[in-house]
Amino acid sequence: QSALTQPRSVSGSPGQSVTISCTGTSSDVSDYNSVSWYQHHPGKAPKVMIYDVSKRPSGVPDRFSGSQSGNTASLTISGLQAEDEADYYCCSYAGSYTWVFGGGTILTVL
Amino acid sequence: EGRLVQSGAEVKKPGESLNISCKGSEYSFANQWIAWVRQMPGKGLEWMGIIYPGDSDTRYSPSFQGQVTISVDKSISSAYLQWSSLKASDTAMYYCARQARGSLDIWGQGTMVTVSS
Repeated sequence: QSALTQPRSVSGSPGQSVTISCTGTSSDVSDYNSVSWYQHHPGKAPKVMIYDVSKRPSGVPDRFSGSQSGNTASLTISGLQAEDEADYYCCSYAGSYTWVFGGGTILTVL
Repeated sequence: EGRLVQSGAEVKKPGESLNISCKGSEYSFANQWIAWVRQMPGKGLEWMGIIYPGDSDTRYSPSFQGQVTISVDKSISSAYLQWSSLKASDTAMYYCARQARGSLDIWGQGTMVTVSS
């Protein structure tokens, strides 16, 4: 069970869109279509932004969207805002009631 | 909606044992899985394991199997993460979180564990 692969960092200017990829294997991402995304500001608890690949919890802005193609899931943030600067993690179900996180992506808003 | 409150920061020596807790409230604790997540200093989140309070069914990530023990006392709505012999490499922030609706939807505030001689 290896960590999912995410880019180490991405950046964008306010108002722009950025996409963070999350690549897994046939044992997780593509097998179960159960990917969630978490926003983590230093010193705070992580917060779920997307679940079940593309669903948004109540209260999460619709600027956040998720998708998946094969063994790669993606998180897109449109209309970037300063408060979006954080670490982002994908997480996939990996079978037998276990999950695996991605390595995390640092989002910088320029 | 629900809330998870974790025990406070710990400073321990190598070889010591430790038990940190996660208390749930404002939801039916017995009916939702509780996961534990590690974040080592400067590193990413790692999924450690999960427990179902209703019947104590427990699953571990292969990376953590045998390294920690996850347990629960549903009578007091609390889950636990235990070490029998701490190592310096166990120094990390540990979070508990509720697994529900396809995600870890509620998180505790985190417990910082520092292991140093």
